[in-house]
Amino acid sequence: DAKTTQPPSMDCAEGRAANLPCNHSTISGNEYVYWYRQIHSQGPQYIIHGLKNNETNEMASLIITEDRKSSTLILPHATLRDTAVYYCIVHYGQNFVFGPGTRLSVLP
Amino acid sequence: SAVISQKPSRDICQRGTSLTIQCQVDSQVTMMFWYRQQPGQSLTLIATANQGSEATYESGFVIDKFPISRPNLTFSTLTVSNMSPEDSSIYLCSVEEGRLAGGPEQYFGPGTRLTVT
Repeated sequence: DAKTTQPPSMDCAEGRAANLPCNHSTISGNEYVYWYRQIHSQGPQYIIHGLKNNETNEMASLIITEDRKSSTLILPHATLRDTAVYYCIVHYGQNFVFGPGTRLSVLP
Repeated sequence: SAVISQKPSRDICQRGTSLTIQCQVDSQVTMMFWYRQQPGQSLTLIATANQGSEATYESGFVIDKFPISRPNLTFSTLTVSNMSPEDSSIYLCSVEEGRLAGGPEQYFGPGTRLTVT
């Protein structure tokens, strides 16, 4: 079973920041938090991952709480092409386990 | 990041037949994985395929139904045998790349959309 919980769906206005939450209260000390997205049944696309520090790359920022029990993926300026299902996964050494994810709809 | 291609991209097959899906990676990787995504569902891991050893199957998946080959570090095949309409899914290949610092990253192919009639 997935070790994360995410809201099933969210809306975001185009050009605004999209903040996608994820709870992972049972995360262990050596598990990383990963985010992937899947656009219209294409293969999942890697976005970002982190252990305990906040991370930023060209796609997004990842904010992990100090107790590591939750995290937020931030898309700073959402576009229509960011409409997708976003998966939050905790992983170390075992297989990636995908939950149902959050369906993000970016609205014009 | 690794670039992954799959063949075929889609197919429509008759029940009782078999289909072999190919996965090609542009670099050598140790760990390759096969996933299934049924309509409207999330991804489910079928098996892990490491070169030089038998594939490791997840609960609910067996080698007779989903035989896997891994002849080298850049290629793998998944066969869906004796297909039924319940096998209609997207089948995805993925690879894992380790990092000197930070956790490994897993990359996915574009998927093979299979419809069984």
